[in-house]
Amino acid sequence: DAGVIQSPRHEVTEMGQEVTLRCKPISGHNSLFWYRQTMMRGLELLIYFNNNVPIDDSGMPEDRFSAKMPNASFSTLKIQPSEPRDSAVYFCASSRNTGELFFGEGSRLTVL
Amino acid sequence: DQQVKQNSPSLSVQEGRISILNCDYTNSMFDYFLWYKKYPAEGPTFLISISSIKDKNEDGRFTVFLNKSAKHLSLHIVPSQPGDSAVYFCAARDSGNTPLVFGKGTRLSVIA
Repeated sequence: DAGVIQSPRHEVTEMGQEVTLRCKPISGHNSLFWYRQTMMRGLELLIYFNNNVPIDDSGMPEDRFSAKMPNASFSTLKIQPSEPRDSAVYFCASSRNTGELFFGEGSRLTVL
Repeated sequence: DQQVKQNSPSLSVQEGRISILNCDYTNSMFDYFLWYKKYPAEGPTFLISISSIKDKNEDGRFTVFLNKSAKHLSLHIVPSQPGDSAVYFCAARDSGNTPLVFGKGTRLSVIA
């Protein structure tokens, strides 16, 4: 069975550019989460969806960040414009209701 | 404000000895606790969990202890093996349909 699939695995971009991270959750999972990992803050929740509906986006740092889930098998996290402090590993995870979280391998973002 | 705290960023243990990773939490509504393990360039994977109705859960070499009065849990790995070298995240959630809250992680190095 395929796990959570994220792309790109690595992204290097310049400050001010738009960044789009993509996620395909595990089929049958109805909850999707975007986390960001940094040394300072560990794994912090940015936003999560339940049945494609955003439930809590209070973790989104600021208006430069946005996330969508147009259908049950796809989600995007967009940063526009990107800044060097956005450099981190971004994880997507999915679960069936409040069950075990399954994480993707992450997208490592470097903003120069 | 960190609701889940892992105060030791790193831990080094000799192969064959016991590894003890600690985690404290502040939210008294948390009733389910998990440990995730993360290798470099991979996403976190579920390791072991414990419900607040228990004070111990064991799975092979891994045991999690919960002290509700102290709002403290610990993960014991015995005997430690070099393959256990990874970052370990403590996570918690309450009984509602809410996402996991993670600590910052502890990097365990098991030395052969």
